[in-house]
Amino acid sequence: DTGVSQDPRHKITKRGQNVTFRCDPISEHNRLYWYRQTLGQGPEFLTYFQNEAQLEKSRLLSDRFSAERPKGSFSTLEIQRTEQGDSAMYLCASSFGLPGRDYGYTFGSGTRLTVV
Amino acid sequence: SQELEQSPQSLIVQEGKNLTINCTSSKTLYGLYWYKQKYGEGLIFLMMLQKGGEEKSHEKITAKLDEKKQQSSLHITASQPSHAGIYLCGASILGGGADGLTFGKGTHLIIQP
Repeated sequence: DTGVSQDPRHKITKRGQNVTFRCDPISEHNRLYWYRQTLGQGPEFLTYFQNEAQLEKSRLLSDRFSAERPKGSFSTLEIQRTEQGDSAMYLCASSFGLPGRDYGYTFGSGTRLTVV
Repeated sequence: SQELEQSPQSLIVQEGKNLTINCTSSKTLYGLYWYKQKYGEGLIFLMMLQKGGEEKSHEKITAKLDEKKQQSSLHITASQPSHAGIYLCGASILGGGADGLTFGKGTHLIIQP
């Protein structure tokens, strides 16, 4: 296992288009997280899955953002009707967690989105 | 919501010198993570601290957690060019990792030869 994989590494899209990013977590990890990072800021938490259940989605930035993890393995993050303000690095992380405890997060290399 | 403040925002250090980066939380820390990030890349895990007073070391990097002060420090001894990058602290929002991490804005470290 080579860690958390994200695809694509870079995406340039025109304003108004939909984009989808994929994240493949470490296979033994039951938790998967999506973050957004803008220039000069730390990562901002968006949503989180435990297995296939999306347990936290209130921090998704708008209803244009949605995430899925259909079989509890890979996950996708979709942004509909992209806006220039969506330009950022989108990071995925995975971890193994038990109730009340987690064992550290491994981040992927991110997908850099540029909306023109 | 929890906020993490890192200091300094940026740091220029001569190669071979020691340095310390601080991370202060506005709320109780249930777990504190240190990551390193190269520009435009993902985060590399450095250390996780979960108990007050805990101290961990890896190679020339040592991190401590002061639960009472709601603060963590990252100390690098005899800095090298490979230490250059952005150092980020992240804190477990609710504990147990159930709600993701809140991150500070990062400390930009430059090592001068």
